[in-house]
Amino acid sequence: KAGVTQTPRYLIKTRGQQVTLSCSPISGHRSVSWYQQTPGQGLQFLFEYFSETQRNKGNFPGRFSGRQFSNSRSEMNVSTLELGDSALYLCASTWLVPGTDTQYFGPGTRLTVL
Amino acid sequence: QQQVKQSPQSLIVQKGGISIINCAYENTAFDYFPWYQQFPGKGPALLIAIRPDVSEKKEGRFTISFNKSAKQFSLHIMDSQPGDSATYFCAASRGSEKLVFGKGMKLTVNP
Repeated sequence: KAGVTQTPRYLIKTRGQQVTLSCSPISGHRSVSWYQQTPGQGLQFLFEYFSETQRNKGNFPGRFSGRQFSNSRSEMNVSTLELGDSALYLCASTWLVPGTDTQYFGPGTRLTVL
Repeated sequence: QQQVKQSPQSLIVQKGGISIINCAYENTAFDYFPWYQQFPGKGPALLIAIRPDVSEKKEGRFTISFNKSAKQFSLHIMDSQPGDSATYFCAASRGSEKLVFGKGMKLTVNP
């Protein structure tokens, strides 16, 4: 069974630009969560989608948004990029409920904002 | 407000030694406590998890100890190996709510 895949793996953008990251969950998984990982803050929860609906949301500004498609694939978008948005963005998929079922993480997308 | 506090931030042990990572949580409603292991260039992977109805869970060389009254849980790695060198995250959640992660601990096991 293929794992969680994320594209692209690396991205370099400049301040003010926007970026879209993609995540394909494990086949059959319906929940997709996104996290931002930085050395100082660790793993910060962004949002979780289940059956195309946002089920949980973290404390990030509105510049961070996401969506989930009918095939469970998910995208997250960051608009008006800031230097502080440089981070590893991780996607995790779960069969149904993250707190009950195991979350499987992808390798992440390394975003660098110059 | 940091709901899950992890310590120490880094740890160096010799091969064959015991590695101990501690986590403290604040929300008594948490009912799921997983530990994740992350190698450089990879996403975190679930190592072992526990629920508050048990005080200890062991899987191979990895053991979680859970102290509900103290609101603490810890990961013990017995007979630590260089291949265990990684970053370890504790986490907690309640029901279907989001996982809250500690800030991670970098473990180095010297040969």
